[in-house]
Amino acid sequence: QVQLQESGPGLVKPSETLSLTCSVSGGSIDRRSYFWGWIRQPPGKGLEWIGSIYYNGSSYYNPSLKSRVALSSDTSTNQFSLRLTSVTAADTAVYYCARQWGRRLAFYHYGMDVWGQGTTVTVSS
Amino acid sequence: QSVLTQPPSVSGAPGQRVTISCTGNSSNIGAPYDVHWYQQLPGRAPKLLIYGDNYRPSGVPDRFSGSKSGTSASLAIAGLQAEDEAEYYCQSYDRSLSGHVFGSGTNVTVL
Repeated sequence: QVQLQESGPGLVKPSETLSLTCSVSGGSIDRRSYFWGWIRQPPGKGLEWIGSIYYNGSSYYNPSLKSRVALSSDTSTNQFSLRLTSVTAADTAVYYCARQWGRRLAFYHYGMDVWGQGTTVTVSS
Repeated sequence: QSVLTQPPSVSGAPGQRVTISCTGNSSNIGAPYDVHWYQQLPGRAPKLLIYGDNYRPSGVPDRFSGSKSGTSASLAIAGLQAEDEAEYYCQSYDRSLSGHVFGSGTNVTVL
């Protein structure tokens, strides 16, 4: 059974870079059927897709965050990572990593079938 | 403001049937891209409830069902139980926004 676990600093200063890692166990991130994504949820608000990465490194990003986001993956450690630059208080949220898959094997039809427990990141000086 | 519109809240008595709508447009649900539904209990990560418009993952009770027509989708919960109190989100892809999008969320209350 695949499990995902986010890790990283819980507090980041404004204008600095937020870096999170998602460790995957019970399955390999280089399986071709899956994308691996990041989603966030500001306090008391809804879910926002940040971006997704494929086993070969291909990435898709939310256009509203694209200029500040970079995803990477490391098959040797079975982890994928998120970097978000120039953070502000608006980036304060619970950040989730998730496995993406769909019955129709195309990224546009994918949902998030396995989620990490989430990690809270606060942007504050 | 989400491109997928859900009612802020729905409620029902135990045993009743409730439905949650998710209204989009021709760039997302009507494109047509698959719609997925998630249940989020307080303080917990979201859980996939319905995928591919109307398929249930293993372990999800058959009280939950999904449907789609045109530019809208719906989640139905039959035989409402106290444990169903949660926030529910729909999700699809939007080609105009070039990304995955979530609905605004619906809070389900069991009276």
